[in-house]
Amino acid sequence: QLQLQESGPGLVKPSETLSLTCTVSGGSISSSSYYWGWVRQPPGKGLEWIADAYSGGITYYNPALSSRVTISVHTSKNQFTLRLSSVTAADTAVYYCARHVEDDSGSSHWIHPWGQGTLVTVSS
Amino acid sequence: QSVLTQPPSVSAAPGQKVTISCSGTSSNIGSNYVSWYQQLPGTAPKLLLYDNNRRSSGIPDRFSGSKSGTSATLAITGLQTGDEADYYCGTWDSSLTIGVFGTGTKVTVL
Repeated sequence: QLQLQESGPGLVKPSETLSLTCTVSGGSISSSSYYWGWVRQPPGKGLEWIADAYSGGITYYNPALSSRVTISVHTSKNQFTLRLSSVTAADTAVYYCARHVEDDSGSSHWIHPWGQGTLVTVSS
Repeated sequence: QSVLTQPPSVSAAPGQKVTISCSGTSSNIGSNYVSWYQQLPGTAPKLLLYDNNRRSSGIPDRFSGSKSGTSATLAITGLQTGDEADYYCGTWDSSLTIGVFGTGTKVTVL
């Protein structure tokens, strides 16, 4: 069964770049019809979709974060990464990596499965 | 910032039914299917429903969904203490070209 696991620093200083890696096991990241993405959840708050990437190169970014975010897929390692630059305390959150499924019509989208999440705190 | 609106909380006694609404716009719910997620305390969200009303593997038929226009609804019947969790709706926004979630609803079993 497909599993995703986040890894990266749990503490990042303000103005620096947050970098996270998601390792996919139990399946290939090159599979068609799947995007690979990141969702975050500030403590005590709701979910926010950050970015998606398709192994073929297509990417989607949340407009509110697009100037600071880069998502990349590394098929040879079965991993994908997130980079968020110029972080502030507002970027403190649990970051989840996940598989984003889109059907052939393009109008059906869902997220399954999710990684367990990793807390990233922005503080000096 | 959440694009879809849900009630902050709903509650009912064990065995009863609760419904959770999710309100959006023509660019998201109005033109795309809706999915629903359950987040138990301290855990990652889990897919409950997709395509408005199709249950994910292993999800009991006590969970059902519907959609009409720019709104969707999740219903939980035969409420159990194990259903206490936060529930989120989600869909694609064709204008933003990114996924969007609801504000989240906390279900309490009285």
